[in-house]
Amino acid sequence: GAVVSQHPSWVICKSGTSVKIECRSLDFQATTMFWYRQFPKKSLMLMATSNEGSKATYEQGVEKDKFLINHASLTLSTLTVTSAHPEDSSFYICSARDPDRGRSQPQHFGDGTRLSIL
Amino acid sequence: GQQLNQSPQSMFIQEGEDVSMNCTSSSIFNTWLWYKQDPGEGPVLLIALYKAGELTSNGRLTAQFGITRKDSFLNISASIPSDVGIYFCAGLVDSWGKLQFGAGTQVVVTP
Repeated sequence: GAVVSQHPSWVICKSGTSVKIECRSLDFQATTMFWYRQFPKKSLMLMATSNEGSKATYEQGVEKDKFLINHASLTLSTLTVTSAHPEDSSFYICSARDPDRGRSQPQHFGDGTRLSIL
Repeated sequence: GQQLNQSPQSMFIQEGEDVSMNCTSSSIFNTWLWYKQDPGEGPVLLIALYKAGELTSNGRLTAQFGITRKDSFLNISASIPSDVGIYFCAGLVDSWGKLQFGAGTQVVVTP
């Protein structure tokens, strides 16, 4: 079945650092991927929709200059947290679905990236 | 916007017991999904529901898509320790795959 890979799984860095997270679809091409943020014991909060070859669509309240999304190929989307600060610490998860299996195909999720900013 | 109300928030059950949780929405969804998330991992799809009234099973899991298309429930029968985790319902918002998630139900299974 569809597999989504996310890298890295854990990042610890100093405040002010920019951090890049990768999301790859391993056995299918994804024109659309999604980026979520999850706080401890909370649900997934959609941050943005990543569209291959065009600009990402951000949800209300999400700073697009803070969370840069690049979907440069049909199998790779990246989320860059620019000038990260402690309040950006969170669990970031991406998802994608195989469009060739129909529009009703469910999303498959990566294993998430735990970001800790010191 | 569409809101999903998932309940209960948490459940503490003994091994062997059945578990039931549900989601309701103020709006109609054409697809309901149920995911399970283990600590430190991404959600894993359990069951997908595409038709109002549909009842679908996956092993010990059974889920139903409500007739009104505004609700869904998930049952786990004869729980085992590995059923521990957070279960999320999700409704498909648009044809691009955007999802709206419920708040989650944390399941704890004691021996």
